[in-house]
Amino acid sequence: EAGVAQSPRYKIIEKRQSVAFWCNPISGHATLYWYQQILGQGPKLLIQFQNNGVVDDSQLPKDRFSAERLKGVDSTLKIQPAKLEDSAVYLCASSLEPGAGAGTKNIQYFGAGTRLSVL
Amino acid sequence: SQQGEEDPQALSIQEGENATMNCSYKTSINNLQWYRQNSGRGLVHLILIRSNEREKHSGRLRVTLDTSKKSSSLLITASRAADTASYFCAPGNMLTFGGGTRLMVKP
Repeated sequence: EAGVAQSPRYKIIEKRQSVAFWCNPISGHATLYWYQQILGQGPKLLIQFQNNGVVDDSQLPKDRFSAERLKGVDSTLKIQPAKLEDSAVYLCASSLEPGAGAGTKNIQYFGAGTRLSVL
Repeated sequence: SQQGEEDPQALSIQEGENATMNCSYKTSINNLQWYRQNSGRGLVHLILIRSNEREKHSGRLRVTLDTSKKSSSLLITASRAADTASYFCAPGNMLTFGGGTRLMVKP
């Protein structure tokens, strides 16, 4: 089966510019996650979608970050305007079910990420 | 959500040696997962252990879970240079990752 697809792989922008990232999850996966991973740190959850609804966006800086998942499949994450501290890798992941319960359906499958450099 | 804390932060061993890394967490969980991240890549799921399991094996990986101590360990036996990566534990609903253990295996 195809994995989680993300694009672009790399992006360099200047501060105050806008940028958008795209993610296509594994077919049939209801839950989609966006993470921010700063160099040397673990991934930090930004937003979680269940189908096309938002489950958790408590750590999303809503003054500059936005995300949508139209039709419950693909998703885009946007930053406008970007700051220097937004330089990071943005990871998208998907799973069959939300991260709850004892089964294996909450295993997350990650894309390769988009490395953003804000100059 | 809760965060797992991995220990040590960094580990350097020779090829062929065993590598052990630990994870601690704070609240009750249904399961715990371990993930690997190679440099410049996304995370890859390694193994899931349920709360009613004490030990689980997958190839050269052995995971233990002690729910009374709220801790887990990941053992990689006969390590290879290709095992060089960061390893993260994900307790429970796994929406928050710790800093991971950076493992370097020297050839």
